[in-house]
Amino acid sequence: GAGVSQSPSNKVTEKGKDVELRCDPISGHTALYWYRQSLGQGLEFLIYFQGNSAPDKSGLPSDRFSAERTGGSVSTLTIQRTQQEDSAVYLCASSLAQGASPLHFGNGTRLTVT
Amino acid sequence: QQQVKQSPQSLIVQKGGIPIINCAYENTAFDYFPWYQQFPGKGPALLIAIRPDVSEKKEGRFTISFNKSAKQFSLHIMDSQPGDSATYFCAAILYSSASKIIFGSGTRLSIRP
Repeated sequence: GAGVSQSPSNKVTEKGKDVELRCDPISGHTALYWYRQSLGQGLEFLIYFQGNSAPDKSGLPSDRFSAERTGGSVSTLTIQRTQQEDSAVYLCASSLAQGASPLHFGNGTRLTVT
Repeated sequence: QQQVKQSPQSLIVQKGGIPIINCAYENTAFDYFPWYQQFPGKGPALLIAIRPDVSEKKEGRFTISFNKSAKQFSLHIMDSQPGDSATYFCAAILYSSASKIIFGSGTRLSIRP
């Protein structure tokens, strides 16, 4: 079946512009995560959605970052007034349920802020 | 207390060798320890995972060794192949709080032919 789909795969934007990154999780997966991976670095947690519960936004680095998940499926990560330090790969993952269910990652969106 | 420390940062091994990647954690409440494998341009994918009630788990050429008292776990790759060259992340999870998946910083593994 289809995996986690992220779009666009690459995005180049000018400093100060807003960007929207999209994630289509695996159908039926109730949990959805966003991570940020800077070049050669680890995985930085950004935000977590689980069903209809309030999202865990504790990893969002600033108020320029926001995310929503509509209808418990598609999620959009929005970065306002982009800065050069926002350049990174943004990874989305979904899982079937809480706990030990494995995360299924998309291939990410590579964001470059010039 | 929420950190997972992973070492080494990078590792080069000759084909057929046994690379070992180590992780250490502090929070004894963690109860699930997966390893993820990431190839360039791809997202990480689950490789193998272990619960703290066992000391070792094998899946094919991949083995996790778990030392509960030392709060350490490690990944061993037997008969390593160039196709195993990737970045490996360990992680620790609180089963009761799925949002709290703590990843290690990653190990870039290169297997030379």
